[in-house]
Amino acid sequence: GAVVSQHPSWVICKSGTSVKIECRSLDFQATTMFWYRQFPKQSLMLMATSNEGSKATYEQGVEKDKFLINHASLTLSTLTVTSAHPEDSSFYICSAQARRGNYGYTFGSGTRLTVV
Amino acid sequence: AQKITQTQPGMFVQEKEAVTLDCTYDTSDPSYGLFWYKQPSSGEMIFLIYQGSYDQQNATEGRYSLNFQKARKSANLVISASQLGDSAMYFCAMRDSNAGNNRKLIWGLGTSLAVNP
Repeated sequence: GAVVSQHPSWVICKSGTSVKIECRSLDFQATTMFWYRQFPKQSLMLMATSNEGSKATYEQGVEKDKFLINHASLTLSTLTVTSAHPEDSSFYICSAQARRGNYGYTFGSGTRLTVV
Repeated sequence: AQKITQTQPGMFVQEKEAVTLDCTYDTSDPSYGLFWYKQPSSGEMIFLIYQGSYDQQNATEGRYSLNFQKARKSANLVISASQLGDSAMYFCAMRDSNAGNNRKLIWGLGTSLAVNP
């Protein structure tokens, strides 16, 4: 079945530094990648949608300069949290649109980011 | 506007019993897809079951079945013979019918299920 590998699983970084999260589709081409943020005990909040080779579409209220999304190839999309602050600490998870399996959506395993 | 409503923040069930998790949806589009996902404490999103709006029968996947009542706009998840490993958050979601939105998923708030031994 379709698999999305997300790395790292967890990361601790200092305030002011940047963190990059990668999502790779291992056995299919991901034309669209959705990036979510999730706070404890809450639902998934869509941050942005990226299509291969074009700029990401950000949801209202999401700072595009802070959360940089790159989808340079059909198998790799990255989310970079720039100048991270403690309030950026959260669970980030990606979801790729696949042409097969799971009726179109395959999720990464998520990244727990803690900013200290 | 399209919307998913899950009214049960938390549910308890005894091991080996069945449990129903509620989900209602709102859309004006005749073509839509409904999903249920399980999220254990590890955080991964596990796809459980899918129901298309034109599907004639309720979807079933092992111990999971979807009670699809189109007129009521409800898509309740039924878990039979609950197991301790079923303890998790459960999310109902609907595919956005607007192709301009990249078919993103619209999510409910989730239901936390605890299975008691």
